Amino acid sequence: AQSVTQLDSQVPVFEEAPVELRCNYSSSVSVYLFWYVQYPNQGLQLLLKYLSGSTLVESINGFEAEFNKSQTSFHLRKPSVHISDTAEYFCAVSDPSNTGKLIFGQGTTLQVKP
Amino acid sequence: NAGVTQTPKFRVLKTGQSMTLLCAQDMNHEYMYWYRQDPGMGLRLIHYSVGEGTTAKGEVPDGYNVSRLKKQNFLLGLESAAPSQTSVYFCASSYPQGTEAFFGQGTRLTVV
Repeated sequence: AQSVTQLDSQVPVFEEAPVELRCNYSSSVSVYLFWYVQYPNQGLQLLLKYLSGSTLVESINGFEAEFNKSQTSFHLRKPSVHISDTAEYFCAVSDPSNTGKLIFGQGTTLQVKP
Repeated sequence: NAGVTQTPKFRVLKTGQSMTLLCAQDMNHEYMYWYRQDPGMGLRLIHYSVGEGTTAKGEVPDGYNVSRLKKQNFLLGLESAAPSQTSVYFCASSYPQGTEAFFGQGTRLTVV
């Protein structure tokens, strides 16, 4: 069975500082990896995804994540955060050979302070 | 382009009452999912469907039923609501192989 662990439930950081949100997964098969973002009182939006190819993937708003197969990790990073990045972030995996259903981590709340 | 639409957005039920949550998608996706979100637990899969007329259990199916009579709609039913079912419910849809899932805005359900 697959599982996802987000190592930090809350990450407070000052504006313009760098941030890393950690995600580890366990799976016996190849997986797809995702980061979703949820702003207050909204649904989930896809931030970025790894399906295959380059292990470094980027989003349009400056986030990036690197797939590390040996460490089974998919950490999310941003070199300089903004107040508007305050949200909850979810890491997820799916097994492309098994209905594609997503298994989510517990979520990390990113709190950006001025 | 509406994407995934959930109705209702909010609902308060009394223990023992029943209700149905509706999810509609206009992207012609084969796969649809129902999740519940609870603090500190992320999103957990309740039921899912890989096509019209098919449904399957997810991680936490007890107390819920689903139906997929039309490809674009996926209904989640609570036959006898319990306070433990107080949660935010999200519907999602995707193409096969799960390269990306699209989520609705959620339904906040309170059972008193």
